[in-house]
Amino acid sequence: QKEVEQDPGPLSVPEGAIVSLNCTYSNSAFQYFMWYRQYSRKGPELLMYTYSSGNKEDGRFTAQVDKSSKYISLFIRDSQPSDSATYLCAMKKGTNAGKSTFGDGTTLTVKP
Amino acid sequence: DAGVIQSPRHEVTEMGQEVTLRCKPISGHDYLFWYRQTMMRGLELLIYFNNNVPIDDSGMPEDRFSAKMPNASFSTLKIQPSEPRDSAVYFCASSSHGLAGGGEQFFGPGTRLTVL
Repeated sequence: QKEVEQDPGPLSVPEGAIVSLNCTYSNSAFQYFMWYRQYSRKGPELLMYTYSSGNKEDGRFTAQVDKSSKYISLFIRDSQPSDSATYLCAMKKGTNAGKSTFGDGTTLTVKP
Repeated sequence: DAGVIQSPRHEVTEMGQEVTLRCKPISGHDYLFWYRQTMMRGLELLIYFNNNVPIDDSGMPEDRFSAKMPNASFSTLKIQPSEPRDSAVYFCASSSHGLAGGGEQFFGPGTRLTVL
């Protein structure tokens, strides 16, 4: 069983919809939780990060962490065609810049 | 800064040939990561370095794969001999312990490898 599980999708929604992307994990030592966005034929780029439990909002994006349930989510409000990409969750045990454990990614398509 | 630079961007080779992928990390970053991405297996960490020293190579699939980091500005991933199942996109990423946000990794554009 993988340490981080992510629904691969694909997920297709109409423009303007609210999107929910989710990951579960098994290692309670994870402290930093990140979401990377990967456009087609590009490398992943960091979208958001959160530390421990709680919510963090950045524009149309909200990252949510529930450590008691070992469950993290990324919400996208008023989704746009430009949000079409693969979203990968990632987790780290500490604040150093060492190894992150990535989910397999969820591919999202937002249709105009 | 130009970001993480990888070369070549595309590589097509025949089974049994040696393949060398190259990476130049962002200047000042002290961590370097090599990943492989496929549809079937997602993004897999192969090996990572800290201050040019390999820290964890448990993701290297087998002895056919080797990685080096002779200095802070250059790393190579070598596959010898290559096999069709090695076909994938290989990413290099770099990071720094001084970064906020739990150590964001900056990814290169990737090398798309096809082994015939």
